Amino acid sequence: GENVEQHPSTLSVQEGDSAVIKCTYSDSASNYFPWYKQELGKRPQLIIDIRSNVGEKKDQRIAVTLNKTAKHFSLHITETQPEDSAVYFCAASIGSNYQLIWGAGTKLIIKP
Amino acid sequence: DADVTQTPRNRITKTGKRIMLECSQTKGHDRMYWYRQDPGLGLRLIYYSFDVKDINKGEISDGYSVSRQAQAKFSLSLESAIPNQTALYFCATSDLREGPTNTGELFFGEGSRLTVL
Repeated sequence: GENVEQHPSTLSVQEGDSAVIKCTYSDSASNYFPWYKQELGKRPQLIIDIRSNVGEKKDQRIAVTLNKTAKHFSLHITETQPEDSAVYFCAASIGSNYQLIWGAGTKLIIKP
Repeated sequence: DADVTQTPRNRITKTGKRIMLECSQTKGHDRMYWYRQDPGLGLRLIYYSFDVKDINKGEISDGYSVSRQAQAKFSLSLESAIPNQTALYFCATSDLREGPTNTGELFFGEGSRLTVL
């Protein structure tokens, strides 16, 4: 079955710097890749997603890139701010029923 | 605002007790899910339901059961709780409608923290 690996498990960056979180997936049939952000004590919320027919997608300071050949996708956050501190989860799904397989999460710490 | 509500938010119980976690939603979504979150393991799917008559096992359904009482209600039961079921449980919903603009985004409840002693 599908497996999603996420790295690193913890990432500490200086405020204003960029952060990159990477995920790899095992099933080449996967075609939908969302990223969720979970602030401390809160529920996960979708921040950006990408489908397999697109290589990159941007939304203000966040972007996601997809390399189908290598079967990996990455979340990029530029000009990091304190409110970016959270746990970020990647996921992958196959087909239109959107049953997601999740990465283990990355705790992003923004240092002032 | 349309939302996903879970009760109880926190529960401490003893081994062997029966526990029910309830979820209700006002989003009008057909799909509902129960996830379990453990530190370092991400989110794991317990059960999901695409409509009132549809119940499906997820990757970790052993020791759990569910009931879809109505489109808006989906409850999770632990018939005989054990300590390794201590976790944060999330209910989620998504929109069944297919199409290029439907991303299948999951809308989560606030979570139910269960501790089994």
